[in-house]
Amino acid sequence: DTAVSQTPKYLVTQMGNDKSIKCEQNLGHDTMYWYKQDSKKFLKIMFSYNNKELIINETVPNRFSPKSPDKAHLNLHINSLELGDSAVYFCASSLYPGSYGYTFGSGTRLTVV
Amino acid sequence: EDKVVQSPLSLVVHEGDTVTLNCSYEVTNFRSLLWYKQEKKAPTFLFMLTSSGIEKKSGRLSSILDKKELFSILNITATQTGDSAIYLCAVDNQGGKLIFGQGTELSVKP
Repeated sequence: DTAVSQTPKYLVTQMGNDKSIKCEQNLGHDTMYWYKQDSKKFLKIMFSYNNKELIINETVPNRFSPKSPDKAHLNLHINSLELGDSAVYFCASSLYPGSYGYTFGSGTRLTVV
Repeated sequence: EDKVVQSPLSLVVHEGDTVTLNCSYEVTNFRSLLWYKQEKKAPTFLFMLTSSGIEKKSGRLSSILDKKELFSILNITATQTGDSAIYLCAVDNQGGKLIFGQGTELSVKP
């Protein structure tokens, strides 16, 4: 199946821990994104990579570090997790930056306790 | 700062009703406006609008854009319980990303 796939789907962890979320797309897209959806359902961009290069970093705390080993993968590592990091994190991809809509992954629900 | 505002934030209707969801925007370099439907998981694409006055239609859903007044509407006729979802409006501002509104949560009761 052609898709954007993220793992894990659910993540429950304690404050202070470090965790990673992985994302892979097999659509041949050049651009990948991480969005955070808060409890009010507001989707806000965190990062964007185009062909492995970081092109958008939206004032996200530096505890969040994206890594793109190749253009089909964009992982998100979070250090020293805080309660406020609890949210659903969506990976997405598009053919070009911001172009013609995204294909979204199914989301990772992160709960920090 | 570029922004997208949707209204209402939530809406409860009965099956068979017609609903209109609103999306207004202020962006500096508008390229397109997109509508997504989000059920339990990933948002799924509904429409992309780039030109004013041209209605896009898919079954019972339709959408239109007004670039002069800077808004779009999404209409759903003869609603069904399967239409229950969050409807997201987003704008491409040619800045390499989509800017999303806060969504309208639609609940269709039997």
